[in-house]
Amino acid sequence: DQQVKQNSPSLSVQEGRISILNCDYTNSMFDYFLWYKKYPAEGPTFLISISSIKDKNEDGRFTVFLNKSAKHLSLHIVPSQPGDSAVYFCAVSNFGNEKLTFGTGTRLTIIP
Amino acid sequence: DAMVIQNPRYQVTQFGKPVTLSCSQTLNHNVMYWYQQKSSQAPKLLFHYYDKDFNNEADTPDNFQSRRPNTSFCFLDIRSPGLGDAAMYLCATSRDFKGGILAKNIQYFGAGTRLSVL
Repeated sequence: DQQVKQNSPSLSVQEGRISILNCDYTNSMFDYFLWYKKYPAEGPTFLISISSIKDKNEDGRFTVFLNKSAKHLSLHIVPSQPGDSAVYFCAVSNFGNEKLTFGTGTRLTIIP
Repeated sequence: DAMVIQNPRYQVTQFGKPVTLSCSQTLNHNVMYWYQQKSSQAPKLLFHYYDKDFNNEADTPDNFQSRRPNTSFCFLDIRSPGLGDAAMYLCATSRDFKGGILAKNIQYFGAGTRLSVL
């Protein structure tokens, strides 16, 4: 029973354009959402997060959007750069709970 | 730099031969996690330590055990590895902010140990 789904295993985007990665979750009780980025041969690194009291959080080129009614979050990267090529995992949690549930990841390739 | 270090990066073991993976951290975080990740799958939490308290996931096989002798170190023991246990094993840490304004769970990961079972 997958609680977190990333339906696109891979995505290719031209350098300079916007990359949009999507994530859907099933449990409306989740209230904290994160994106992680993973390069080959490295562990996942935290990228950006959002709590359920917001619908948008921005950090430089990265913006996360949360649509609670649709149980959907997305990560926008603009402009996309070659160094953004990586696997992106979304993760969900509850405040006060130390556990995360991860999606299966989306491999983003930025084409120069 | 404060970090999470996993050793070894690659481990080859034989079917049924016990193996131990190690994780150390210099972040002084009180929570440590072990995940199993197979190809194209989500990292799957096996168990975690909240301080000294061990928390096992319900579907973690008995074949997997863990030890945390102190704050900095955590070990994953696989008592009798099977072919299905070949995977990437990720260690992560987090700091509990429950005493603060908000509890945020940002986990910091090591580079992982890739386990092969022959």
